[in-house]
Amino acid sequence: QKEVEQNSGPLSVPEGAIASLNCTYSDRGSQSFFWYRQYSGKSPELIMSIYSNGDKEDGRFTAQLNKASQYVSLLIRDSQPSDSATYLCAVRSSASKIIFGSGTRLSIRP
Amino acid sequence: GAVVSQHPSRVICKSGTSVKIECRSLDFQATTMFWYRQFPKQSLMLMATSNEGSKATYEQGVEKDKFLINHASLTLSTLTVTSAHPEDSSFYICSAATFSQSYEQYFGPGTRLTVT
Repeated sequence: QKEVEQNSGPLSVPEGAIASLNCTYSDRGSQSFFWYRQYSGKSPELIMSIYSNGDKEDGRFTAQLNKASQYVSLLIRDSQPSDSATYLCAVRSSASKIIFGSGTRLSIRP
Repeated sequence: GAVVSQHPSRVICKSGTSVKIECRSLDFQATTMFWYRQFPKQSLMLMATSNEGSKATYEQGVEKDKFLINHASLTLSTLTVTSAHPEDSSFYICSAATFSQSYEQYFGPGTRLTVT
């Protein structure tokens, strides 16, 4: 089992709809969770960080964390073509190591 | 805030030569810097973690004598690819973090290395 798992996609979502990206992790002692966006040929950019159970909203983005089920998700409302990118989930493990998932490719179709 | 720069953005070098890549945190002091490598259409691969003033910790399979990392100050880390070969051609990305406040990593724009 990978430490941080994401569906590789591609996930295709129509413009204006909600894109839902999921991530599961294996280390139950993990404390910090992050979502990064990476456009092709560019480096990752931090979108959201979340540390406690529940939802955290920032503009069109909502991160959701459920530590009991060991999953973290990212919702993107009113999806735009510019949201098309690879989204990386990252988890700080109980050993304080940051572990990245392999990413989910999101494609927003006009 | 949280801006990280990398230099150069692109470099082409001949096989057998060495290349140095600089990573700077411009508006914060980074206690920890990370170096990643990413091949086309593949995920990020962590190469090493460096803390200011101490030796870097390399991931399994990464040759520490080939990829020299120096983290001499809280704002600067360098990666030197020694005796580069065509298989070292890749996208090298650094990131910086201040773990005293949060565990958020901020990435530099990356350096595309091509070895001919």
